[in-house]
Amino acid sequence: DAGITQSPRHKVTETGTPVTLRCHQTENHRYMYWYRQDPGHGLRLIHYSYGVKDTDKGEVSDGYSVSRSKTEDFLLTLESATSSQTSVYFCAISDRSGTWNTEAFFGQGTRLTVV
Amino acid sequence: QKEVEQNSGPLSVPEGAIASLNCTYSDRGSQSFFWYRQYSGKSPELIMFIYSNGDKEDGRFTAQLNKASQYVSLLIRDSQPSDSATYLCAVVEGGTSYGKLTFGQGTILTVHP
Repeated sequence: DAGITQSPRHKVTETGTPVTLRCHQTENHRYMYWYRQDPGHGLRLIHYSYGVKDTDKGEVSDGYSVSRSKTEDFLLTLESATSSQTSVYFCAISDRSGTWNTEAFFGQGTRLTVV
Repeated sequence: QKEVEQNSGPLSVPEGAIASLNCTYSDRGSQSFFWYRQYSGKSPELIMFIYSNGDKEDGRFTAQLNKASQYVSLLIRDSQPSDSATYLCAVVEGGTSYGKLTFGQGTILTVHP
């Protein structure tokens, strides 16, 4: 299994509070991604990183920010959690950017509930 | 908005049958196509990828790609109850994509004994 650890695995938080999810990898992969998964929507990309301090927005980035100060860590922050951000969050990593050989590996997921 | 659509499920097949999962995509520039399997409560795991038109076989799994029709499929032969899961089709667009995946909504497959 790819060395990807997400923390926490489960979290319940109140509306309006900030929340940070952590993704830690031991594979030294350059590319890291945050996806959310909701019923009927599959996985949707929130933010991604293509190197230390290099990040960009995905399809559903509103209300989220990210940081990557080290190759191994990619943090996802909900600045002020809302009920619509209740979801399962997956981190993924890849060591290739080429369109011909991009294979992403996923962490175990974090189940976040905003009440 | 680039879209990936999968055939609506759930799909139920008897043990030993062929399960056919289908996916269409909207971006003609898409270059790489992936099938992930996701068991309930678990993370997606890669089972097949395909880049070229035609068929690619790996054990009981066959991926088929038709870029002209913007269509990719996954066939599972001799289906087993352990194949029961959600199958996710994913696409990487062409150009400098940084490996970003666009997923379909998933198809739930149930293989009954």
